[in-house]
Amino acid sequence: GDSVTQMEGPVTLSEEAFLTINCTYTATGYPSLFWYVQYPGEGLQLLLKATKADDKGSNKGFEATYRKETTSFHLEKGSVQVSDSAVYFCALSDTNTPLVFGKGTRLSVIA
Amino acid sequence: GAVVSQHPSWVICKSGTSVKIECRSLDFQATTMFWYRQFPKQSLMLMATSNEGSKATYEQGVEKDKFLINHASLTLSTLTVTSAHPEDSSFYICSASHRGYEQYFGPGTRLTVT
Repeated sequence: GDSVTQMEGPVTLSEEAFLTINCTYTATGYPSLFWYVQYPGEGLQLLLKATKADDKGSNKGFEATYRKETTSFHLEKGSVQVSDSAVYFCALSDTNTPLVFGKGTRLSVIA
Repeated sequence: GAVVSQHPSWVICKSGTSVKIECRSLDFQATTMFWYRQFPKQSLMLMATSNEGSKATYEQGVEKDKFLINHASLTLSTLTVTSAHPEDSSFYICSASHRGYEQYFGPGTRLTVT
C-alpha cells in the first residue's frame, strides 16, 4: 500500500538557519502530496500541498517540490524562526482515499 | 478557508463512562469525515472513515463497538467512546472533506480517562 517516510527527529536549529526535512513516498497511483504542521496541543494545519509532478507548494516561507523521479517532497525553509517550532507531517492522498501520514518530525528552533 | 470544529476540546471522564466527541464542518458540506487518534509524540492513526448517511468503515484493529461513529448530516459527525478506560486516553482528531477533495482538520479533543 501507499506509504510515507520522513526523516527522524528531533531537529534542533538556531534561528535563521536553513531547514530541510526529507520526505519520500511510495504510491501506486498519482497522489497529491501535503505538509501539515502541528503546534503543541493543537490539531493539524495544512502548510502546503502539490497535486502533480513538478508542482511547488509554498507558504509562510516554506517550500516543497513534487519530484516524481525521486518520489520525494522535501520541505525547506531558508531562515527558520522560533515560532516555527512544531511537528511537521508529510502526507499523501490518492483521490477519495484517506491521508497517509509520515511519522512526523519535531523541529525545535532556538534563539 | 474551510473550518472544522471539535467539541469538547478536552474532557476528563471516569473509567467506565462514555464520552461523545462532536466534529462539525462550519462552512462546507462534509461528504466524508475521518477520525484519527494520536498518541503522545506519535503520528496520526486513522480509526475510521464515515460517509454521510452510511455506516463508518473502521480500520483493522479498531473496535467498532467501542468507538461508535455517527455521520447523520453533512455537517456533523460524532465519535462516542463507550465504557472508556485509561488506555483510551489520547488526542482524537477529526477531518472533513467534500467529495474527495482536500481534508480539513479539526483542532482535536484531548481525552483523559481516570
